[in-house]
Amino acid sequence: DAGVIQSPRHEVTEMGQEVTLRCKPISGHDYLFWYRQTMMRGLELLIYFNNNVPIDDSGMPEDRFSAKMPNASFSTLKIQPSEPRDSAVYFCASSYTGEQYFGPGTRLTVT
Amino acid sequence: QKEVEQDPGPLSVPEGAIVSLNCTYSNSAFQYFMWYRQYSRKGPELLMYTYSSGNKEDGRFTAQVDKSSKYISLFIRDSQPSDSATYLCAMGYSGGGADGLTFGKGTHLIIQP
Repeated sequence: DAGVIQSPRHEVTEMGQEVTLRCKPISGHDYLFWYRQTMMRGLELLIYFNNNVPIDDSGMPEDRFSAKMPNASFSTLKIQPSEPRDSAVYFCASSYTGEQYFGPGTRLTVT
Repeated sequence: QKEVEQDPGPLSVPEGAIVSLNCTYSNSAFQYFMWYRQYSRKGPELLMYTYSSGNKEDGRFTAQVDKSSKYISLFIRDSQPSDSATYLCAMGYSGGGADGLTFGKGTHLIIQP
């Protein structure tokens, strides 16, 4: 299995622009998680899905953040408009039995 | 008080030493516990997954959970330079299921050749 796939790996954008991060979970996994990692706050859960349905989005920082999972093989995390404080590494993880497997992350820089 | 506390290090030990990494937590609702290893600019890699108090061993790694003390540990025997990384503890609520994890901020480990 290829593991969790994320794209792009790096994104540099200007403040105010829309950013879309993409994730393909491991085939057969029914849970998908989005996390954000910063030096100050560490790894934090943003939102997670079960069978494509959002279960808990209490970690989404603001209305500027939205996430979708249109099917079992694909999820997006969108930031609109982006701000410099959104700069972080965004990870997607998937799970079937409770053990979560992480993708390589997207390093986002907002200037 | 943060839900999960973890000493950020860095922790530097000579090759071959036994390494002890620890986390404490405040929420007794946490039911299962994980340790992840993260190399620089990489995603976290799952090392150990435990559900009950006691020890779990996998090769050179041993995870220990003490729910009464709200304390978990990871021991690495015969440490190697390739073990140099950041080690993250993580905890979840759902017994047997899946939910979002709460992470410690990680301990940066350096194994000196």
